[in-house]
Amino acid sequence: AQRVTQPEKLLSVFKGAPVELKCNYSYSGSPELFWYVQYSRQRLQLLLRHISRESIKGFTADLNKGETSFHLKKPFAQEEDSAMYYCALLTTGGGNKLTFGTGTQLKVEL
Amino acid sequence: DAGITQSPRHKVTETGTPVTLRCHQTENHRYMYWYRQDPGHGLRLIHYSYGVKDTDKGEVSDGYSVSRSKTEDFLLTLESATSSQTSVYFCAIRSSRGEQYFGPGTRLTVT
Repeated sequence: AQRVTQPEKLLSVFKGAPVELKCNYSYSGSPELFWYVQYSRQRLQLLLRHISRESIKGFTADLNKGETSFHLKKPFAQEEDSAMYYCALLTTGGGNKLTFGTGTQLKVEL
Repeated sequence: DAGITQSPRHKVTETGTPVTLRCHQTENHRYMYWYRQDPGHGLRLIHYSYGVKDTDKGEVSDGYSVSRSKTEDFLLTLESATSSQTSVYFCAIRSSRGEQYFGPGTRLTVT
C-alpha cells in the first residue's frame, strides 16, 4: 500500500536560514509527487509538482527514487513562508487519488 | 481558486442530526473529491466522483455518503453526525493536467 511520511510535525528556523522539509514515500508503482502549502485557515494551494521541475516562491524539490524521498528545500527562509506543508503521492488507476502525509508546520522566526 | 466553492463554510450541529455539505465547481471538471483534515492525520480521502452518478469510496468513508447528480455539484452527507466527525472538510477537483485544486473548506463541529 502507498504511504507518505513527513517525520517532523514542527520545524522552526530563523529568517534567512535554509529550510528542508522532509518527505519519504512508499509506492510500488512509478511515483508522482506534490507539495501543497496551507496558510493559516486557508485552502490548500499547490506549491510544486515533481514532473514540472519548477521553482515556486524559491522552493524546489527533487525526486530521489533511490531514497524514496521528495524533500522540499529553500535556501533562505522568509517570514511569509510560515505555514503548514503537505507532501502528497498520486496513485494512478481508480480515481487518481492523492495520499497525503501528516504535514509539517514551518515556523520562521525573526 | 479553480472556481471551487463550498457551503456552508461553518456549521455547528448536534449528534444524531443529518448534515449535507455542498461543493460547487464552475469549470466542468470530471473528477471531484471530499477530504477531511484532522491534526496528526493530514488529509484523508472520504469519497470521490469520476462523473455524474459515478462515485467510489476513499480511505475513511464509514458514516458518509455522497451524491453527484450534475457535473458542477458534489454533495457530502453525514447521515447521523457523531462527535468524531468534527473536522474541516475540503472538496477538490482534478484538473486536465492531473493536479488537484482545493475549495476553501467547511469547518464542522458536532456537539
